[in-house]
Amino acid sequence: GEDVEQSLFLSVREGDSSVINCTYTDSSSTYLYWYKQEPGAGLQLLTYIFSNMDMKQDQRLTVLLNKKDKHLSLRIADTQTGDSAIYFCAESIKGGGADGLTFGKGTHLIIQP
Amino acid sequence: ETGVTQSPTHLIKTRGQQVTLRCSSQSGHNTVSWYQQALGQGPQFIFQYYREEENGRGNFPPRFSGLQFPNYSSELNVNALELDDSALYLCASSSGTEATGELFFGEGSRLTVL
Repeated sequence: GEDVEQSLFLSVREGDSSVINCTYTDSSSTYLYWYKQEPGAGLQLLTYIFSNMDMKQDQRLTVLLNKKDKHLSLRIADTQTGDSAIYFCAESIKGGGADGLTFGKGTHLIIQP
Repeated sequence: ETGVTQSPTHLIKTRGQQVTLRCSSQSGHNTVSWYQQALGQGPQFIFQYYREEENGRGNFPPRFSGLQFPNYSSELNVNALELDDSALYLCASSSGTEATGELFFGEGSRLTVL
């Protein structure tokens, strides 16, 4: 079955880079996503990558995909206190969400001053 | 442009009861998905509705059912509530034509079953 794994916590100093890692098992995954959830809020899409891409950069965010190892990472440059949240990795086969997204359990990003 | 709104925000039910949760999709979106997020877990896909028809379903029993209305708003109904149904229920809307499948989530309805 499909499975998405993430480490539960990551602590970084303000101004440093944060790297959040994710592994998935379904080789049919076509779309891979990173969502952010702040306390008491719904999920916000940060970025996504197609499985035929290796890297995607969007301002402070860099997504790396190693399809051979089924490994996805999200790098946040110059981490700020406002980046404190839970970050979810998710995958989908069909895109459009028709098969639903499969989410990991989320990584709590903790920012130290 | 209004975002995704859900109601109620919090509710408490007892085991065996039934609950209806409501969702208004973002303007221009014709697809609604429902997810269950238990405490400390990632969201789990319940089902998706596209133009009033169920378009896909996750691994949830038939006592989880839904509806989508002509204005694309949606309801999630859960019958015979169990303690394990306690969770945050998230609604997400999207445009059915978007290949990226970007979902716009509401803030959720937190259900507690006693």
